[in-house]
Amino acid sequence: GAVVSQHPSWVICKSGTSVKIECRSLDFQATTMFWYRQFPKKSLMLMATSNEGSKATYEQGVEKDKFLINHASLTLSTLTVTSAHPEDSSFYICSARGRDRYFEAFFGQGTRLTVV
Amino acid sequence: KQEVTQIPAALSVPEGENLVLNCSFTDSAIYNLQWFRQDPGKGLTSLLLIQSSQREQTSGRLNASLDKSSGRSTLYIAASQPGDSATYLCAVSPGGSYIPTFGRGTSLIVHP
Repeated sequence: GAVVSQHPSWVICKSGTSVKIECRSLDFQATTMFWYRQFPKKSLMLMATSNEGSKATYEQGVEKDKFLINHASLTLSTLTVTSAHPEDSSFYICSARGRDRYFEAFFGQGTRLTVV
Repeated sequence: KQEVTQIPAALSVPEGENLVLNCSFTDSAIYNLQWFRQDPGKGLTSLLLIQSSQREQTSGRLNASLDKSSGRSTLYIAASQPGDSATYLCAVSPGGSYIPTFGRGTSLIVHP
């Protein structure tokens, strides 16, 4: 299957700082990328969908000014958590979909964010 | 809005048992259904993908079935092993958007 690499796998940051998470498709062109957030003992919740070269579409209740998503190329999307607070601590997972296998989404390894 | 439910939420069994994990969804107009495994603190590993036109998929000791009309899928794990301990997630992709919607998962512990 196609490979999606997410970096970093874990990060600890101080409250008020910003953190950037990268999601890369290693062997295919990702026309669409999805960002999910996972709370303890809950399902993965879709945060936003981004298409290469255009602005991300955010799900209801997700603050777009806090969670900045950039999908500047066909192999890279970034999620920046701005002015992080302890309540932003969570597990974030990206997913990518390519042109050739449009109907199948491939997932990154996830990033554990802890804000102290 | 598609809702995905997984039963049971947690399962603890002795090694060697055959297991059935259940996933149900409310809207049968799906494109595919995917089963994932998630180890603690880790990302997702895709186990099986079933297209809407298929009834089942098999990989090693894993077998997943799909009954689209009744909105159900089952993941069958044969001869469970301690290494199977993980959370198993079911994700349904609707026709049209193809954006996966996840259930909450079944947390499985297989003890020696």
